[in-house]
Amino acid sequence: NAGVMQNPRHLVRRRGQEARLRCSPMKGHSHVYWYRQLPEEGLKFMVYLQKENIIDESGMPKERFSAEFPKEGPSILRIQQVVRGDSAAYFCASSPTGTVYGYTFGSGTRLTVV
Amino acid sequence: GESVGLHLPTLSVQEGDNSIINCAYSNSASDYFIWYKQESGKGPQFIIDIRSNMDKRQGQRVTVLLNKTVKHLSLQIAATQPGDSAVYFCAESGNEKLTFGTGTRLTIIP
Repeated sequence: NAGVMQNPRHLVRRRGQEARLRCSPMKGHSHVYWYRQLPEEGLKFMVYLQKENIIDESGMPKERFSAEFPKEGPSILRIQQVVRGDSAAYFCASSPTGTVYGYTFGSGTRLTVV
Repeated sequence: GESVGLHLPTLSVQEGDNSIINCAYSNSASDYFIWYKQESGKGPQFIIDIRSNMDKRQGQRVTVLLNKTVKHLSLQIAATQPGDSAVYFCAESGNEKLTFGTGTRLTIIP
């Protein structure tokens, strides 16, 4: 079991470009969660998805951010027209049950906007 | 909104001594708490958890204490080792998502 896989590990984008972050959950996990971590801060919840459904997006910024978890393939966190303030580490977690029991985090994608 | 906070942002401990990391939470509806360890460049790693119907839980070299009266959580690490150097986060949950504290950076002094 390879765990939660996130790629790329590091991503550099110029202001105004798009960033796509990918997350493959653990085998057997159908619940995916995205968190953002600013430097020297704790993780902040962004969105919770199941296959083809967004369950809770209460932590997602209203503009430029979107997430999907298609029937086939990884979950994608998409940030359009990136700005310097989007620079952060983005972590994905997966769970087998839709609760925090069994939560497993990936190693994250470090996004740098220049 | 509800938040989880930590008393100390940094903690330096002599190798071999015990470490105590504290956390205050404000959401009285939270029923599950987790301590995570995060090393540089890595994701949060589960250390130990505790449910709200418990006061204490022990693992290997780690103990979590929960005081619901004052909404306080602590992590005790026995015989601290160099490999324990990391940032430690407490997190609380009442449903499917976690609310994290800011973190405490634990530094081990040789």
